[in-house]
Amino acid sequence: GAVVSQHPSRVICKSGTSVKIECRSLDFQATTMFWYRQFPKQSLMLMATSNEGSKATYEQGVEKDKFLINHASLTLSTLTVTSAHPEDSSFYICSARDPRTEPVYGYTFGSGTRLTVV
Amino acid sequence: AQSVAQPEDQVNVAEGNPLTVKCTYSVSGNPYLFWYVQYPNRGLQFLLKYITGDNLVKGSYGFEAEFNKSQTSFHLKKPSALVSDSALYFCAVRAPMDTGRRALTFGSGTRLQVQP
Repeated sequence: GAVVSQHPSRVICKSGTSVKIECRSLDFQATTMFWYRQFPKQSLMLMATSNEGSKATYEQGVEKDKFLINHASLTLSTLTVTSAHPEDSSFYICSARDPRTEPVYGYTFGSGTRLTVV
Repeated sequence: AQSVAQPEDQVNVAEGNPLTVKCTYSVSGNPYLFWYVQYPNRGLQFLLKYITGDNLVKGSYGFEAEFNKSQTSFHLKKPSALVSDSALYFCAVRAPMDTGRRALTFGSGTRLQVQP
């Protein structure tokens, strides 16, 4: 079935630095990927929809200059948290749509990235 | 706008007993409904999905969900709970295809605790 690989699984960075998170679809081409943020004991909040070859669509309240999303190929989307601050510490999860399996299995999720900004 | 409500933060059940995790939704048109499970520090795993057809949907690991249009509910059920079912469960909805919005909207999650 569809597999989405997300790296790194954990990252600790200093305040003011930038962190890049990668989301790869391993065995399918993902024209659309989604980036979510999850706070402790809370639900997943959609940050943006990433479309291959075009600009990402950000949800209201999400700073597009802070959370840079690039979807340059059909198998890779990246989320870069720029000038990270402690309040950016969170669990980030990507999701991808495989047209072959979506009708049966829905979207496929990465394993998530735990970002800690110190 | 679409939304999902999971009224229970936590559900406790004894192993071997039936379990129900509640979910209600709000969306214009016919909904696409999902249940996902999340283990600590992991992504989400697909359990089951409803688009159309039978109101009772069977999914992975013995789980099933009943779609009730009049009550706008999509409760997750399992006849006999296992300790290994203990995890965080999310209900999600997606708007119909003709809206152009493909992202899922998640409920707040329900933590299921199955006691031995």
